[in-house]
Amino acid sequence: KAGVTQTPRYLIKTRGQQVTLSCSPISGHRSVSWYQQTPGQGLQFLFEYFSETQRNKGNFPGRFSGRQFSNSRSEMNVSTLELGDSALYLCASSFRDRVAHAEAFFGQGTRLTVV
Amino acid sequence: AQKITQTQPGMFVQEKEAVTLDCTYDTSDPSYGLFWYKQPSSGEMIFLIYQGSYDQQNATEGRYSLNFQKARKSANLVISASQLGDSAMYFCAMREGYNFNKFYFGSGTKLNVKP
Repeated sequence: KAGVTQTPRYLIKTRGQQVTLSCSPISGHRSVSWYQQTPGQGLQFLFEYFSETQRNKGNFPGRFSGRQFSNSRSEMNVSTLELGDSALYLCASSFRDRVAHAEAFFGQGTRLTVV
Repeated sequence: AQKITQTQPGMFVQEKEAVTLDCTYDTSDPSYGLFWYKQPSSGEMIFLIYQGSYDQQNATEGRYSLNFQKARKSANLVISASQLGDSAMYFCAMREGYNFNKFYFGSGTKLNVKP
C-alpha cells in the first residue's frame, strides 16, 4: 500500500511569488490535513479537508489556501511569499472515523525556501 | 495553556538501554487520541504508537510502549533496547473529539543514542 506522497520534495522561491504544493493521501483515506513546521514555531496546523470540503482552518493569513479534489488529492497554495514562509510543509492522511481508529500518516514533506 | 507539553528538549541514551520520553497533555474533551511520531533528519513524520482515551490498556508496538496515566494526563513513550537508528526527534501529539483531524503537537524531544 503506497504511503502519503508529497511533491515536490524541495522548492526554492523568491519573495512575492506564489507556490503550490501537492499531497496524495493513502488510497481510501478521505481526510487530508496540512501542517507548517519551523524551528521557531514548531508544528502548526494549517487546514483540514474531507471529501473536498475544508472542515477546519488554523490561524494563518489568507495567503494560505488549499483545496481537495474528488480523488482526495489535496493542494495547498501560498501567494505573495514572505521569507517567514520558509518551512517544512507536511500533510497527513486519515481515514476519518471514530477517534479510536483514526490513525494518521504523514508524507515526507515539502521543504520550501523563500529567498 | 499548551495542549501538549514535552519538557525534554534533548536526551541521551546508551545503545541497548531503555529510555522514557515525557509528554503531558491538556484537554477537557473526554474523547481524544494521543500519538507519538518519530522525525529523522529527512523530515518525514513516522507514526510509532497510538493511545485512545477510552483504551483500558497501555498501547504497545514492538519496542515502543506508551505509559498512559489518564488521571495525571501523561502519555510517556518508552523505547526499549535503544538502537542507533532511534536517534531522531520525537513528537507527542493529540487529536480531540470525533469531528476534527487537527493535531496538536508538542515541541519535540531530540533523542541521541550513543554506541
